[in-house]
Amino acid sequence: AQSVTQLGSHVSVSEGALVLLRCNYSSSVPPYLFWYVQYPNQGLQLLLKYTTGATLVKGINGFEAEFKKSETSFHLTKPSAHMSDAAEYFCAVIRMDSSYKLIFGSGTRLLVRP
Amino acid sequence: GAVVSQHPSRVICKSGTSVKIECRSLDFQATTMFWYRQFPKQSLMLMATSNEGSKATYEQGVEKDKFLINHASLTLSTLTVTSAHPEDSSFYICSALPGAGGRPYQETQYFGPGTRLLVL
Repeated sequence: AQSVTQLGSHVSVSEGALVLLRCNYSSSVPPYLFWYVQYPNQGLQLLLKYTTGATLVKGINGFEAEFKKSETSFHLTKPSAHMSDAAEYFCAVIRMDSSYKLIFGSGTRLLVRP
Repeated sequence: GAVVSQHPSRVICKSGTSVKIECRSLDFQATTMFWYRQFPKQSLMLMATSNEGSKATYEQGVEKDKFLINHASLTLSTLTVTSAHPEDSSFYICSALPGAGGRPYQETQYFGPGTRLLVL
């Protein structure tokens, strides 16, 4: 069965510091992986996705993620945090049963200190 | 592109009434839409999959008679919470999968802004 684990329900960084949000997945087949961001009282916005090809994926707002098969990881990074990055971040894997359903991690709340 | 809207954005209703929430894909066709429920400070819980022109499929534990889903066109799905009670109060989010004729064009779901339901 596929699953997603996000380590750390809360991550706090200083403005300008590196952002690292961790995501590990479990899948018996090559996964399609996503990172979404949710601002308060809003829906989810796609940050980036990995399907095939280049394992380093660049997304919006300066975020990127690297697919590492050997570590079953898809960590999200940003070199320099901005106050506007404060939000909830969800890692997800798509179910490979033709349903296109997403399996979400529990989410990580990013706090950015001035 | 790939914009999904939801209406209303928030609704307050009395216990026992029914509430309809609309989910529209504004600039693409969506053969499949998904309905999620989100509790405070929690992840999204998939409630059901809505396929254009066919019956919705519900996740285990979700009452299909309580949460009626209709996907009458390639750009509109509706969720009706029937005989709402305070425990139905939640944040409901839809997503849309671009495609037509029962075939998605791609694997990425695009999410609506959500609907906050409060049942008094």
